[in-house]
Amino acid sequence: DVKVTQSSRYLVKRTGEKVFLECVQDMDHENMFWYRQDPGLGLRLIYFSYDVKMKEKGDIPEGYSVSREKKERFSLILESASTNQTSMYLCATIRTGQVIGETQYFGPGTRLLVL
Amino acid sequence: RKEVEQDPGPFNVPEGATVAFNCTYSNSASQSFFWYRQDCRKEPKLLMSVYSSGNEDGRFTAQLNRASQYISLLIRDSKLSDSATYLCVVTYRDTGRRALTFGSGTRLQVQP
Repeated sequence: DVKVTQSSRYLVKRTGEKVFLECVQDMDHENMFWYRQDPGLGLRLIYFSYDVKMKEKGDIPEGYSVSREKKERFSLILESASTNQTSMYLCATIRTGQVIGETQYFGPGTRLLVL
Repeated sequence: RKEVEQDPGPFNVPEGATVAFNCTYSNSASQSFFWYRQDCRKEPKLLMSVYSSGNEDGRFTAQLNRASQYISLLIRDSKLSDSATYLCVVTYRDTGRRALTFGSGTRLQVQP
């Protein structure tokens, strides 16, 4: 079974703090994604990466950056957290060449509260 | 207009009932379609893919109507354990390695 883990299940930060969310997968998947999920808005793609040191912006990259130094690890960084970044953050992975919708595996999510 | 739209519900149904959800999509170039299930405070998990010819998996039936640009999910003989949020998911031809487009979900509550 694919295992996707996220560094924290719950996180509380203050406005202006730098926040790191980490995602680790153990299946050697090339592609990794960061989403945020908000009530009424569904899941929205922030950034994705299809290889080490590669990254591409998703639909809502503003206020976020990412890092992919190793294949198994994809980090989401909030340079200066703001209250509108309070959300559920979900990491996902997929192996290149597979039908993307059928084999996208999610981590358990991190609930971030920015005060 | 959202690319993928769902009725948020909640749909409150008794055990044993049949319930159906629709999901409309705006991009006619949409390629692949899926239903995911998400339990409260958990991550989404693939429930089933949606094929052009329609497909069935036990009590669940998924259908695609390309002409009207919607997909549907039918659940027969509802169980308490079916209570969850059901997410409609669509991919587009030009997304390549990009991720999926999610609807905001339809919440189902099955009552005893």
